[in-house]
Amino acid sequence: GENVEQHPSTLSVQEGDSAVIKCTYSDSASNYFPWYKQELGKRPQLIIDIRSNVGEKKDQRIAVTLNKTAKHFSLHITETQPEDSAVYFCAARSFGNEKLTFGTGTRLTIIP
Amino acid sequence: NAGVTQTPKFQVLKTGQSMTLQCAQDMNHNSMYWYRQDPGMGLRLIYYSASEGTTDKGEVPNGYNVSRLNKREFSLRLESAAPSQTSVYFCASSEQETGGQYFGPGTRLLVL
Repeated sequence: GENVEQHPSTLSVQEGDSAVIKCTYSDSASNYFPWYKQELGKRPQLIIDIRSNVGEKKDQRIAVTLNKTAKHFSLHITETQPEDSAVYFCAARSFGNEKLTFGTGTRLTIIP
Repeated sequence: NAGVTQTPKFQVLKTGQSMTLQCAQDMNHNSMYWYRQDPGMGLRLIYYSASEGTTDKGEVPNGYNVSRLNKREFSLRLESAAPSQTSVYFCASSEQETGGQYFGPGTRLLVL
């Protein structure tokens, strides 16, 4: 089955700087890669996703890049703000599979 | 449009008691899921339902049963609660075509 590894497990970034979180996946048939943000005590929320036919996708200060050859994808947050502090989860889904395989999460702390 | 709703928000059980966690979605999604999240941990899939009338085991199904009552509702039952089932339980739903999962607010369960 699919295996998703996520790094780093914790990340501290000065406010205004950029943050990058990386995930690798094992199943070359995976074709959908969402990212979730979970604030303390809240539900995971879908913030951005990318499909295997696209190499990069942006939404304001966040972007996701996908390298299918190397089987890894990354979340980029620019101009970080205190409200970006949260746990971020990556995930992957194979074509025809109803399940998402989640990474173990990255706790991002923005230092004012 | 309420999205995904869950009841109850919080529950305390004694070991051996039973209870049912309720989940409903109004987004006309085919697929629904139950996850558990332990403190500082990621999301672990308990059961999922790809469509009305079907259910399948996830990563950690032991001690749980599910019912896909109709397209909107997916319930999770603990027949004989154990302290190891103390966790936060999230329900989610998704469209098969797009894959992105949308989570409910969660149920915090404490088993004494």
